[in-house]
Amino acid sequence: KAGVTQTPRYLIKTRGQQVTLSCSPISGHRSVSWYQQTPGQGLQFLFEYFSETQRNKGNFPGRFSGRQFSNSRSEMNVSTLELGDSALYLCASSQGQLSSGANVLTFGAGSRLTVL
Amino acid sequence: KQEVTQIPAALSVPEGENLVLNCSFTDSAIYNLQWFRQDPGKGLTSLLLIQSSQREQTSGRLNASLDKSSGRSTLYIAASQPGDSATYLCAAHSNYQLIWGAGTKLIIKP
Repeated sequence: KAGVTQTPRYLIKTRGQQVTLSCSPISGHRSVSWYQQTPGQGLQFLFEYFSETQRNKGNFPGRFSGRQFSNSRSEMNVSTLELGDSALYLCASSQGQLSSGANVLTFGAGSRLTVL
Repeated sequence: KQEVTQIPAALSVPEGENLVLNCSFTDSAIYNLQWFRQDPGKGLTSLLLIQSSQREQTSGRLNASLDKSSGRSTLYIAASQPGDSATYLCAAHSNYQLIWGAGTKLIIKP
């Protein structure tokens, strides 16, 4: 079966712009979680969506937002981009919510964002 | 606040050796502990998930253990191969989110 698909794979933006990233989960998976990976901070949890509702959110400013559609596809948006937002953004899908504690995550290849 | 630490940050060993990667966490109230590998420029691949009620999990040449009382997990790789070269990350699932270690970069020399 198809894996987790993230688009676009690479993108370059300038400060002040906004960006929207997309994540299509594995068919049947209802949870999508998003992560930011940078050399300095490592991997950090952004938020999780399950059944079109944000379930949990990491320690990121309100410029980072997301949503989930009825087909479980998810988008994340970053507004007013800053240089420090340059990172690899990863999404992962799982059958159940993260809070169940038993769900294996399947990751996409990521979207690499460069902010100039 | 949960903090996850991985030691060593990098490890280089000859092919065929058995090795252990370490992961420690500060808050024992976890749902599970997961191990992943990341190849350069790619996403993460889930290796093993140990639920809080379990002590270990095995998959092929990989064995992961969990000791909540001491806040430690280890990933044991038997008979290492060059294809095992990657960055290995552990993540503690607590407070409804995954808290990640910085990873151990593993190089297996042929």
